[in-house]
Amino acid sequence: EVQLVQSGAELKKPGESLKISCKGSGYKFHDYWIGWVRQMPGKGLEWMGLIYPGDSDTRSSPSFQDQVTISVDKSINTAYLQWSSLKASDTAIYYCARHPGRSGGFDHWGQGTLVSVSS
Amino acid sequence: QSALTQPRSVSGSPGQSVTISCTGTSNDVGNYQFVSWYQQHPGRAPKLLIYDVSKRPSGVPDRFSGSKSGNTASLTISGLQTEDEADYFCCSHPGTYNFVFGTATKVSVL
Repeated sequence: EVQLVQSGAELKKPGESLKISCKGSGYKFHDYWIGWVRQMPGKGLEWMGLIYPGDSDTRSSPSFQDQVTISVDKSINTAYLQWSSLKASDTAIYYCARHPGRSGGFDHWGQGTLVSVSS
Repeated sequence: QSALTQPRSVSGSPGQSVTISCTGTSNDVGNYQFVSWYQQHPGRAPKLLIYDVSKRPSGVPDRFSGSKSGNTASLTISGLQTEDEADYFCCSHPGTYNFVFGTATKVSVL
């Protein structure tokens, strides 16, 4: 069974750093892209970026490329989303999701990680 | 890149059909066959319903169907059921980059 399991909810202060994770299992992790999607409270979905675990090729949304870092450790089937300095506006649920490549859709999703940033 | 435009809400009675539109431009929906649709129940992760405009993953009921004409993609739910009450999002992408989601449509089953 394909599973993406994300790290738990985080409560942070503005200016702090954070790295959340997404661990894949039940498939060949390095054969599928992993995407990150933001959902702010009561709002829609926003694509942040995509990484290919096979060679760490990373594609980022212009809206997020200077705000976060996407990385992967294929030896432990885990992708990461990282902030160096959080802002209150980063408060959201962050989902990772698997994508097969050029065609297809995000066919399996993690359960989401709630990140709350408040002083 | 601007979000694709969806109606804020649609509704129907059980057994009826509803269609959700997803309007983009010639830079996204109009120029590529990579449109997908997602269903999201409150407090849950999204679920893939349709990919590549009209293909259904295994396990998705055939009452969900997708199509595209020009710059507008559509999701039709036939034989509406109470469990279809959820938010629905479209998504377009030219390849492994520049994914753009729609603004979300809330489907209500009357």
